[in-house]
Amino acid sequence: DAGVTQSPTHLIKTRGQHVTLRCSPISGHKSVSWYQQVLGQGPQFIFQYYEKEERGRGNFPDRFSARQFPNYSSELNVNALLLGDSALYLCASSLNMDYGYTFGSGTRLTVV
Amino acid sequence: AQSVAQPEDQVNVAEGNPLTVKCTYSVSGNPYLFWYVQYPNRGLQFLLKYITGDNLVKGSYGFEAEFNKSQTSFHLKKPSALVSDSALYFCATLPNDYKLSFGAGTTVTVRA
Repeated sequence: DAGVTQSPTHLIKTRGQHVTLRCSPISGHKSVSWYQQVLGQGPQFIFQYYEKEERGRGNFPDRFSARQFPNYSSELNVNALLLGDSALYLCASSLNMDYGYTFGSGTRLTVV
Repeated sequence: AQSVAQPEDQVNVAEGNPLTVKCTYSVSGNPYLFWYVQYPNRGLQFLLKYITGDNLVKGSYGFEAEFNKSQTSFHLKKPSALVSDSALYFCATLPNDYKLSFGAGTTVTVRA
């Protein structure tokens, strides 16, 4: 079975631009979460979606948005990119909490 | 706030020696606790979790963790470390049913 897949793996953007990151969960997983990991820190929660509804949002500005599609894949959008948005963006899917979260390999975003 | 703390930024051990990575938690009620490992430029890999039951939890790659309620700790252990265990280790808790809260991480270096 395929794990959680994320695309692209690497991305370089200029300040002020917009970016879209994509995530496909493990088959059968209806929950998708997004995390931001800045170099040298632990991952920080951005969003969780379940059955296409937002279940939770972390302490991130409105420039960050996400959505989940009927096939349970998800997109994370970031507008008006700042240098500080440079990070590894991780997607995780879950069947339920008894099974924990499975993470993808992430998208490395560099803002210049 | 419900959280975990990893008091050591780095742990260095010789191959074949026991490895311990420390984690303490501050969680009300019954905690959900996790350990993840991250190799360079990769996503997070699940090692083990504690939800309820036996205080000694066995996980992947020969790792185990002991839940200690009196000391509010959930230390990760491996009896005999390998050079390939060198990585970044994260302890995490689940303060609600959708958001993982991670520690700052501990870098483990196993020397040959």
